[in-house]
Amino acid sequence: DGGITQSPKYLFRKEGQNVTLSCEQNLNHDAMYWYRQDPGQGLRLIYYSQIVNDFQKGDIAEGYSVSREKKESFPLTVTSAQKNPTAFYLCASTRAGDAGANVLTFGAGSRLTVL
Amino acid sequence: KQEVTQIPAALSVPEGENLVLNCSFTDSAIYNLQWFRQDPGKGLTSLLLIQSSQREQTSGRLNASLDKSSGRSTLYIAASQPGDSATYLCAVMTTDSWGKLQFGAGTQVVVTP
Repeated sequence: DGGITQSPKYLFRKEGQNVTLSCEQNLNHDAMYWYRQDPGQGLRLIYYSQIVNDFQKGDIAEGYSVSREKKESFPLTVTSAQKNPTAFYLCASTRAGDAGANVLTFGAGSRLTVL
Repeated sequence: KQEVTQIPAALSVPEGENLVLNCSFTDSAIYNLQWFRQDPGKGLTSLLLIQSSQREQTSGRLNASLDKSSGRSTLYIAASQPGDSATYLCAVMTTDSWGKLQFGAGTQVVVTP
């Protein structure tokens, strides 16, 4: 079945450590996104990529980094510079082309807790 | 900047009642508006997408309307069931930010048997 796989599902990190969240899709989608969700809040965009080897900052990119070396993969690194990294992280993807008609497909999410 | 608001933040209804969920947005220059469902601790599932040229979309018991001029969308769920209990989020893609969705905070729905 086609879909988006995020791993790990749960991750615990000590302060000062970098961690990388994996996102893989087999939908042949061009665009991929990382969102952060905090309790009682909507999703906020961290980074997005519309094509391989290119990505743009979203609304809350500080303390995060990404790469897009393959169409299928869009890993997110949460660096030690991120002041409040405990959150639920969601990866999504969609086809490029007609922006008005493209439904966003989400992974199951990764919950990061800083100890 | 686009602002998306969902009121109420939480809603509880008895089984069988119709659900009415509201979403408002400040910038009417949109490509589309999408409604999503999120179960606790899970990712989002797309329910309906309404393009800017459309007034409504329907899927089974779900119907979503869009009024761009007033900056509003409404999601109707007919004859609610306990399985409809979830958080429902709306998101808007504006024309000056292709590919980027602005999300509301969601409405948490509980349908009691």
